[in-house]
Amino acid sequence: GENVEQHPSTLSVQEGDSAVIKCTYSDSASNYFPWYKQELGKRPQLIIDIRSNVGEKKDQRIAVTLNKTAKHFSLHITETQPEDSAVYFCAASRKWDNDMRFGAGTRLTVKP
Amino acid sequence: DGGITQSPKYLFRKEGQNVTLSCEQNLNHDAMYWYRQDPGQGLRLIYYSQIVNDFQKGDIAEGYSVSREKKESFPLTVTSAQKNPTAFYLCASLGQVDGGYTFGSGTRLTVV
Repeated sequence: GENVEQHPSTLSVQEGDSAVIKCTYSDSASNYFPWYKQELGKRPQLIIDIRSNVGEKKDQRIAVTLNKTAKHFSLHITETQPEDSAVYFCAASRKWDNDMRFGAGTRLTVKP
Repeated sequence: DGGITQSPKYLFRKEGQNVTLSCEQNLNHDAMYWYRQDPGQGLRLIYYSQIVNDFQKGDIAEGYSVSREKKESFPLTVTSAQKNPTAFYLCASLGQVDGGYTFGSGTRLTVV
């Protein structure tokens, strides 16, 4: 089955700096890669996703890149703000195969 | 709660007891999932269901049971066979349109 690894486990940046979180996956058939943000005590919420036919997707200050050959994808947050502080999870699945696997999470702290 | 409701928010279980966690969605989603979240381990799949009256085991199904008698409902029972049930439990659903999971707000189960 799919195995998703996520790094780093914790990340601390200064407000205004960029943050990058990286994930690798093992199943070459995976074609859907979402990212979730989970604030303390709350549910995970989808913030951006990318499909295998796209190499990069951007939404305001967040972007995701995908390298299918190397089987890794990354989340980029620019101009970080204190409200970006949360745990971020990557995931991978064969779309509609109902077998999504999550990374272990990255706790991002943005210092004001 | 964004269309998917989990209850209760907090649950305390005595040793040897079975307890049932509720998950209800009004999103008309076909697929529903149960994940367990432990610190530093991300989200691990317990059970999932793609259609009414059908469900499959995830990675950590031992000590858990589910049912899917209605499309809207996917309750999870934590049985006395689950040796370490203290965790945060998240229910999610997925519809047949673009987009990732919709998560419930979670149930925190503690064994006392």
